[in-house]
Amino acid sequence: EAQVTQNPRYLITVTGKKLTVTCSQNMNHEYMSWYRQDPGLGLRQIYYSMNVEVTDKGDVPEGYKVSRKEKRNFPLILESPSPNQTSLYFCASSLSARLGTEAFFGQGTRLTVV
Amino acid sequence: AQTVTQSQPEMSVQEAETVTLSCTYDTSESNYYLFWYKQPPSRQMILVIRQEAYKQQNATENRFSVNFQKAAKSFSLKISDSQLGDTAMYFCAFMNWQAGTALIFGKGTTLSVSS
Repeated sequence: EAQVTQNPRYLITVTGKKLTVTCSQNMNHEYMSWYRQDPGLGLRQIYYSMNVEVTDKGDVPEGYKVSRKEKRNFPLILESPSPNQTSLYFCASSLSARLGTEAFFGQGTRLTVV
Repeated sequence: AQTVTQSQPEMSVQEAETVTLSCTYDTSESNYYLFWYKQPPSRQMILVIRQEAYKQQNATENRFSVNFQKAAKSFSLKISDSQLGDTAMYFCAFMNWQAGTALIFGKGTTLSVSS
């Protein structure tokens, strides 16, 4: 089944404790991205990757890191989480950003930083 | 910079009725894509419908159709014969063809369908 898999789905952590949210897709998509969803703000892009070893900042990259060592995986790293990073996070992939193809989303990760 | 505006934070409709969700966007580009995504309480993001800006014909998917007015930069979603399962948050989104970097989302409209 074609899908984007995020883990974990729920995470509660303490300020400053490094964490990684994993994202994997099995559709051989070139383009992957991370979004955060906050009430009243919609979804905002954090980072994106056009292909392996190619990543770039989105609208709200501060406090986040990503890597794209393999085509299928695109982990989101919070080196020192803070309470303002409490949010719902989505990973998405699409065949090619330039073709306007459908973005497939993971199930979301609800992160709480206390 | 491109922006997407959804002016209706919440809407409600009765089963079997028709409802229209509004979306306007701002861009100086001529080639782009527009989308409507649905997010039910399960929070999964589901593509409802997609429109290419160079196509004049409005996209339709079963009970879902759009009214795409390129000159007015308007992209509304019409849901016909509303069903309880249509209850969700709906996001309008824009993608610039040239940059091809991000889906830019509106803030969403929460739709409640009641029986």
